[in-house]
Order: sequence, then C-alpha cells, then structure tokens
Amino acid sequence: GAVVSQHPSWVICKSGTSVKIECRSLDFQATTMFWYRQFPKQSLMLMATSNEGSKATYEQGVEKDKFLINHASLTLSTLTVTSAHPEDSSFYICSARIGTGNQPQHFGDGTRLSIL
Amino acid sequence: QQQVKQSPQSLIVQKGGISIINCAYENTAFDYFPWYQQFPGKGPALLIAIRPDVSEKKEGRFTISFNKSAKQFSLHIMDSQPGDSATYFCAASGGGGNKLTFGTGTQLKVEL
Repeated sequence: GAVVSQHPSWVICKSGTSVKIECRSLDFQATTMFWYRQFPKQSLMLMATSNEGSKATYEQGVEKDKFLINHASLTLSTLTVTSAHPEDSSFYICSARIGTGNQPQHFGDGTRLSIL
Repeated sequence: QQQVKQSPQSLIVQKGGISIINCAYENTAFDYFPWYQQFPGKGPALLIAIRPDVSEKKEGRFTISFNKSAKQFSLHIMDSQPGDSATYFCAASGGGGNKLTFGTGTQLKVEL
C-alpha cells in the first residue's frame, strides 16, 4: 500500500521550454503532497507543500512563478517548471501524505530533469 | 533550529556487521522521526519511524534508538547485507506544517 507514482522518470529538453511532472497517489487519497529537489549526493530540499484545492505554500527562496504547482484532486499534483534553464536541471521528487497531521510521507521515484 | 545533523557522511561495514547512523536535532517541537533509504535514481523509501513516547523501536533488522533528553536518535542495521548498501536519511517533523526536515544523508556500503 501507499504507492506514489511519478511521471516522467526522466526528461531532457531544450532551454526555454516548460516541463510538467505528475505525481499520483495510486492507492490512497492524499490531502497534502510535497515537492522536493535533490542535487547529486545531497539531501532533499523541500520546495513547496501542495494542498488539494488550494494554493501551494512555497519555501523561502523558491520562485512560485518558476515552479507552478497544481493539486487539482486528492490523487494528483503537478509541478511545472516554466521556461526551464540549465540551472533547473535536478532530481525532482514528490511525496504524499495520508490524512492530516504528523503522518508518514510516501515518496515517488523522482524525475530526472536535464535542460540542455 | 530546524536543522537535523546526521553522521557519519559515509560508512563501510562488513557483511554481517552492525551499521550505526546517528542524528541530532534542536527543535523540541519535533515529534516524529522517520528514517528513509534511498537507492541511486530512486525516491526515498520509508524504513522505520519513531515518536518520542518510546525509546526504541525495532522492525526486523532495523532498530531506532531515541534519546529525548539528548535530542538524538540513531538507526542500527543488524546483520548488514550488501543489499543494504544505499543512502540513509534521518528526518524529523512536528510543530506547525508537519514538514519533514532531512538530515544530510549517510552513504552506506556493505562489503562482502
């Protein structure tokens, strides 16, 4: 149980294009989903918290116009990297939490984004 | 105050040995402490978690020890196997938002 699917797993695109990453909770409803960014051999850095039906809450230093987050249903959140540039290349990982409060987060397998 | 300090950065253990990874926190509002295992190119997978009302939790070969007064917790992997070779992250959450704060990670290698 508690499976989180992330798509695509790997994307390469040209500088200036926009890329959408999907995060789905397959066997549970997720009121809250989280988006992280991870650089090689580093820890996970929280980018934003996404609540179904409301605007995402972004961490300090994360550009909300650059990283658009939509959480339209209890099983789907999307992250769109707009006008991507090489410095946006990274490993993006989503997680979903069952219920509210201090409950476990279950992670997707990440999306490797490479901007040429 | 939101930091979680993790050590060591890397660890090499012989097959069958015990792997020990330590974490320390400062924020006394933290009340949930999970450990995650991450293989290259994959997302983190929840291994085991503890809340501060107990001092130890064991699940199979994995044990968390928790010292509330010292604000420290550790992961012990008994009978370590080559398949345990991965990066391990401790984390903590609590207080407002229930966001996870991750440690810096420990790269474990279990040698034959």
